[in-house]
Parts: sequence; C-alpha cells; structure tokens
Amino acid sequence: QVQLLQWGAGLLKPSDTLSLTCGVNGRSLSPYWWCWIRQSPGKGLEWIGEINQIGETNYNPSFKSRVTISVDASENQFSLNLRSVTAADTALYYCASLHFGDDAGDYWGLGTLVTVSS
Amino acid sequence: EVVLTQSPGTLSLSPGERATLSCRASQSFYNNYLAWFQQKPGRAPRLLIHAASSRVTGIPDRFSGSGSGTDFTLTISRLEPEDFAVYYCQQYGSSPWTFGQGTKVEIK
Repeated sequence: QVQLLQWGAGLLKPSDTLSLTCGVNGRSLSPYWWCWIRQSPGKGLEWIGEINQIGETNYNPSFKSRVTISVDASENQFSLNLRSVTAADTALYYCASLHFGDDAGDYWGLGTLVTVSS
Repeated sequence: EVVLTQSPGTLSLSPGERATLSCRASQSFYNNYLAWFQQKPGRAPRLLIHAASSRVTGIPDRFSGSGSGTDFTLTISRLEPEDFAVYYCQQYGSSPWTFGQGTKVEIK
C-alpha cells in the first residue's frame, strides 16, 4: 500500500515562503514523476510542477519564477518551496503522482491547507 | 496553455440514470492525452480514465471515456449511489498540464 505523507506550515504571512514536504512510503520514487497540485475555490485544480528521482523538473510557467521542487531520494521524499506568497496562494496543496500508460494510476497525499493572511 | 471547459456545471440525475459529461479544449494537444478524475468531499481526486478512453485498473466498466481533438466525453452508463461526486477532466499532452473546472453530479 503506497502512502504519501505530507507536512509543512499551514499559516503564512504575505511574502513568506511556502515549504511542504511529501514522504513516499511503500514504493520507490523511481520510475515515476512526483508532482504538486493545488486546489482553491477560485482557481480550481492547478498543476504546479513535477520532479523525478534524479531531480529533473518541469514547472508550470505560472509559478516558475517563484517555485522550486526538490527531491531527497535517500529519504524517498520530495519538497515544494513557493516564494513570496500572497493571499492568492491560499489553497489546499496536494502531493501526488499521476502516471499514465500501461500501469496507469495515481497516488495522492491527504492535502495540506495553506492559508496566507496578514 | 490549454484551457479545458467542462459542461454542464451541475448535473442532477437519479440513481440508475445515464450521465454524460463534456470537456472541451481550447486547442488540441498531443495524442489525446486526456484524463478524467472523480473527487468526493474531503478526498483527493481519483484517476478514472486516461488517454481519453482507457479505464484505469479497478474502475467499474460503467465509466467510459470518448472523444478526440478538442471534444471529450465521460459517460457513466448507470449511476450508482457512490458515483455522485465532482468530475474533472485534465490534459497531459501539452505543458503545463491543466484541469477543467469540474462538473458536479448530484442526486436529483
């Protein structure tokens, strides 16, 4: 049974850096890509970016100037840093792996509600 | 980026009825790489369909996907009580991946 356990600060002030980590239990990071997706009432589901086990990344250009996704393969976990947050970054943040193809499936964390408020 | 527009916003149906959900893309994308997700309150989304029409292992065969180019459809042949939820389409054929705004299937 694969479990994604995510943790990080849930209450931030404007201009802070959002930092979340997702630990993957029950399987290796390889060969999948692991991503961060957020969900808010105003913007719905947004794909932020993804990383693989060797640290290759793809980012949504909407976040590219502020976001860093990193991986610690030895700990089987990956992290999200989103800089200079504003109230518009208030959302439920999920870590996930969406894999398509012959072994299509998905793994999701429970989500972390991040609120940005002064 | 590819904008996905889902319709209707809400579908009110009774158990046993057929549900037809639409997802229209602002432009075509590679290989009709379109997925459908189901989300229930307080839960993360769950992948149902990928590549427009391929059902994920374990998903009941009452769920089917079709379409190509810019027009895609999710059909639930006979609604079961557990099918009442919000459904999202997502394209992964053009970066950045994008999602539709969702269709809520509610009990009439």
